[in-house]
Amino acid sequence: QLQQSGPGLVKPSETLSLTCSVSGGSVSGYYWTWIRQPPGKGLEWIAFMYYSGGTNYNPSFKSRVTISVDTSNNQVSLKLTSVTAADTAVYYCARDRYSSSYWGQGTLVTVSS
Amino acid sequence: DIVMTQSPLSLPVTPGEPASISCRSSQSLLHSDGYNRLDWYLQKPGKSPQLLIYLGSNRASGVPDRFSGSGSGTDFTLKISRVEAEDVGVYYCMEDAQDPFTFGPGTKVDIK
Repeated sequence: QLQQSGPGLVKPSETLSLTCSVSGGSVSGYYWTWIRQPPGKGLEWIAFMYYSGGTNYNPSFKSRVTISVDTSNNQVSLKLTSVTAADTAVYYCARDRYSSSYWGQGTLVTVSS
Repeated sequence: DIVMTQSPLSLPVTPGEPASISCRSSQSLLHSDGYNRLDWYLQKPGKSPQLLIYLGSNRASGVPDRFSGSGSGTDFTLKISRVEAEDVGVYYCMEDAQDPFTFGPGTKVDIK
């Protein structure tokens, strides 16, 4: 099970930080992916990372995004810096880089002052 | 980036009747590994997407056999042999042949 957590409101220009906690399994041995969905819109792939390192980021986010895996706490994290209103979306974590069968419940993050 | 298109974008269906959704990509999704890198997801209202079909034609675990995927290269189709009320939602195709991975715009399926 993937349980997401993090603030639902972030101010413009600040950093969005989300955590995906894995229960009933391990982060080890898998790729981990973040995807987002602006309200009423479609899905956008953000990045994936192998548990031991090696990341692949969507260039549209330039250098604003960082994904990390904490094996000791069985967690996956997403950080997105310098957010604007355009970053308002439901953010999902998912296991695997391809064909993800396991998704978190999603976290709505609103960027607003 | 690979551009994914879907048609139709809206599909009213009658329970018990078949339904079909088309997905096209701007580049071939036939990967060097020999597989078509195309997945289908269903996002039910208020829920996270769920994987239906992977590698173009393989049903994910637990997916009813009324769902089938076909196609190769740039043209793919998702078929529902007999639509049930629980099949309503937005269907997305997604390519993972070339990063950044991209999704189609979605096809909204609802009951007539």
